Amino acid sequence: GIQVEQSPPDLILQEGANSTLRCNFSDSVNNLQWFHQNPWGQLINLFYIPSGTKQNGRLSATTVATERYSLLYISSSQTTDSGVYFCAVGTSGTYKYIFGTGTRLKVLA
Amino acid sequence: DAGVIQSPRHEVTEMGQEVTLRCKLISGHNSLFWYRQTMMRGLELLIYFNNNVPIDDSGMPEDRFSAKMPNASFSTLKIQPSEPRDSAVYFCASSSGITLGYTFGSGTRLTVV
Repeated sequence: GIQVEQSPPDLILQEGANSTLRCNFSDSVNNLQWFHQNPWGQLINLFYIPSGTKQNGRLSATTVATERYSLLYISSSQTTDSGVYFCAVGTSGTYKYIFGTGTRLKVLA
Repeated sequence: DAGVIQSPRHEVTEMGQEVTLRCKLISGHNSLFWYRQTMMRGLELLIYFNNNVPIDDSGMPEDRFSAKMPNASFSTLKIQPSEPRDSAVYFCASSSGITLGYTFGSGTRLTVV
């Protein structure tokens, strides 16, 4: 099956810093999502981005499907950005997603 | 829109007891997913339904687990009998189309003692 690797596994930032999270996947995918799990456990969908670039406020994401990776950019980080960021990928014709192991982000005030 | 609603939020039960987790989809969504999250295994898909029909239940760990979708807006996940290794956070998520991604519920934290 598809392998999904995320890096770095852990990241500590000072408030206001920028960061880039990476998701590599081992096979062709047609679907890709980024999620944020906040410290209370809630999973929030950030982007559905099988290819191209999207932006939402301080967050943006880019997926280069042909090279099998996706990047999540966080600019001007805030303490509320803390939590775990997951990448999830799926193949054509199915709603089934495989989740990566996540990047745990802590933003310090 | 109240989002995906799961109940209960927390459940503590004794080994051997039956546990039923509940999920209400967002109105208009036609796909429903049950996930389990543990420290050791991360997020695992247990089963998903499309238009009330189970499409893939290959992630259901064993026969003690069963899931139903009696109507378009509601699903249950049942564990009978429960075991301590079933302790985890169980999430359901719904979707109205693949290009819109998932919306997750708040999860049910299950502890089996």
